[in-house]
Amino acid sequence: AQKITQTQPGMFVQEKEAVTLDCTYDTSDPSYGLFWYKQPSSGEMIFLIYQGSYDQQNATEGRYSLNFQKARKSANLVISASQLGDSAMYFCAMREGEGQGFSFIFGKGTRLLVKP
Amino acid sequence: DTGVSQDPRHKITKRGQNVTFRCDPISEHNRLYWYRQTLGQGPEFLTYFQNEAQLEKSRLLSDRFSAERPKGSFSTLEIQRTEQGDSAMYLCASSSFSGQGVNYGYTFGSGTRLTVV
Repeated sequence: AQKITQTQPGMFVQEKEAVTLDCTYDTSDPSYGLFWYKQPSSGEMIFLIYQGSYDQQNATEGRYSLNFQKARKSANLVISASQLGDSAMYFCAMREGEGQGFSFIFGKGTRLLVKP
Repeated sequence: DTGVSQDPRHKITKRGQNVTFRCDPISEHNRLYWYRQTLGQGPEFLTYFQNEAQLEKSRLLSDRFSAERPKGSFSTLEIQRTEQGDSAMYLCASSSFSGQGVNYGYTFGSGTRLTVV
């Protein structure tokens, strides 16, 4: 069965510093996709970044990068130059199912607090 | 388009009552999903529709839960005889068949927070 593990319930980071949020996953499927979502207090899930299992390069999207270590089954999110607005819950997720009709398996999340 | 809309944002109900939530997806999205998120957990998949057809249901969706998408546009999620364990955030999402990037434009609403007292 597929599984996502986030071992950090909460993290603090000083504004303008970088922070790494950990995520490990388990799947027997050779083809999979890994996602990170941000959930502010308003509740909506905001897509941040995606990594495909066959992608050779680590994904980057602006200040977000994904440190993908396939052999270790880890997909850590790195946020550079943290901003106060980055304070939120962050969820690592794996896509389950093929093509357009897929659902997600989410981890328990990490609450990030950016200090001024 | 203003994204995925959910109504109401908050609902407090007494145990044993029935409740119904509504989700309006992004208009061109033909797939619609429901998730449940309890305190301290990530969202868990409940069910999804392609147009008006309900194609998959999680084992989490007990007999007291029913979801519909009668005309392939908005969807409703009804919980009958609510229990305290039903207290959670209910999130709706929609995605595009034609594909918009790796997540097919998968967009979540802000959720309906249910409290059963």
